Amino acid sequence: DAGVIQSPRHEVTEMGQEVTLRCKPISGHDYLFWYRQTMMQGLELLVYFNNKAVMDDSGMPKDRFSAKMPNASFSTLKIQPSEPRDSAVYFCASSPPGEGKETQYFGPGTRLLVL
Amino acid sequence: GDSVTQMEGPVTLSEEAFLTINCTYTATGYPSLFWYVQYPGEGLQLLLKATKADDKGSNKGFEATYRKETTSFHLEKGSVQVSDSAVYFCALNRDDKIIFGKGTRLHILP
Repeated sequence: DAGVIQSPRHEVTEMGQEVTLRCKPISGHDYLFWYRQTMMQGLELLVYFNNKAVMDDSGMPKDRFSAKMPNASFSTLKIQPSEPRDSAVYFCASSPPGEGKETQYFGPGTRLLVL
Repeated sequence: GDSVTQMEGPVTLSEEAFLTINCTYTATGYPSLFWYVQYPGEGLQLLLKATKADDKGSNKGFEATYRKETTSFHLEKGSVQVSDSAVYFCALNRDDKIIFGKGTRLHILP
């Protein structure tokens, strides 16, 4: 069974460019989480969805970040315009029904570098 | 608000040594507690969990006991291996979310 799939695995871009990160959750999971990991801040929850609806995006800088989940098998996290401080590893995670707060399955992450 | 505090790393041990990574939490009510592990270049994965006081979670030789009186969930392993080198995250749940500690990096020397 395929795990959570993220693309791209690595992204290098210049400040001011738009960046789109993609995630395919595990089939049948109805929770989807986006995290950002940096050395200084650790693991931060940016936004999460339940049944494709945004449940909490309080951790996401809304002036430049946007997250969508157009269907149950796909989500995007977009940064526009990107800034050097956005450099981090971005993880997507999913959970089965009823287990959003119990067990999360993480993807391998997207390593973003903004120059 | 709810939070998790774990010992800062890195922790460096020799193979077959005894491991303890301390974790304490602050929470309203009685959350479930977790340890997640992140191997180099990978995402986090659940290592073990405990859902109520005095429960012991265990997996792959690791153990942690939910201590309500000390609000702790320390991770232990009797004999570590080089393959245990990773970052370990203590966590608790609140609503539909999991709140993670900052992580403790563990290095095991052969």
